[in-house]
Amino acid sequence: GAGVSQSPSNKVTEKGKDVELRCDPISGHTALYWYRQSLGQGLEFLIYFQGNSAPDKSGLPSDRFSAERTGGSVSTLTIQRTQQEDSAVYLCASSLDPGARGNTIYFGEGSWLTVV
Amino acid sequence: GNSVTQMEGPVTLSEEAFLTINCTYTATGYPSLFWYVQYPGEGLQLLLKATKADDKGSNKGFEATYRKETTSFHLEKGSVQVSDSAVYFCALRAQETSGSRLTFGEGTQLTVNP
Repeated sequence: GAGVSQSPSNKVTEKGKDVELRCDPISGHTALYWYRQSLGQGLEFLIYFQGNSAPDKSGLPSDRFSAERTGGSVSTLTIQRTQQEDSAVYLCASSLDPGARGNTIYFGEGSWLTVV
Repeated sequence: GNSVTQMEGPVTLSEEAFLTINCTYTATGYPSLFWYVQYPGEGLQLLLKATKADDKGSNKGFEATYRKETTSFHLEKGSVQVSDSAVYFCALRAQETSGSRLTFGEGTQLTVNP
């Protein structure tokens, strides 16, 4: 597609339920990133994929969070047993070769998650 | 480690006023620098970037110059419009960091009144 596509755009879930957030990066982009933006907070890095592997998962806040990427394309971020503090906007982004200087990282519109 | 510091907001200006949003950074290595903008209810959009010292990025009347000697990348616009109301994020991207992921500042909320 022309840009990074995320779904759902909005999700309201009950505390304790599992949620899956999907990201479809720009075609041909090998690098994929997930960030989280909480109300009034900055942008928090969660995980980075290069192809289908995730060399950096250091930002995942707990073992309730996991992510995978298949076919070097679509990625899914899964949050198990959601808590109210998980309420945030989850942003996906993609890029061409991150080793090349100056390549831009492009963001999707985000998935707004509300845990009630 | 890498970090980005932005001037604290919120910033409120009248239409046609001059805008400066300060941004300084700390980085290992030689980063590329970016300004992203987030309009209400939308995702992040790249506003401008610069990849080496003394480069000037510009877009939509906004400018920022990569100053290596002062480790700064201040955003400026000569005459703001109501439609510029948004949150502005300064960011750096360093190849030495895993995945060259972006490191962001805290963001500066700009409101422009007619």
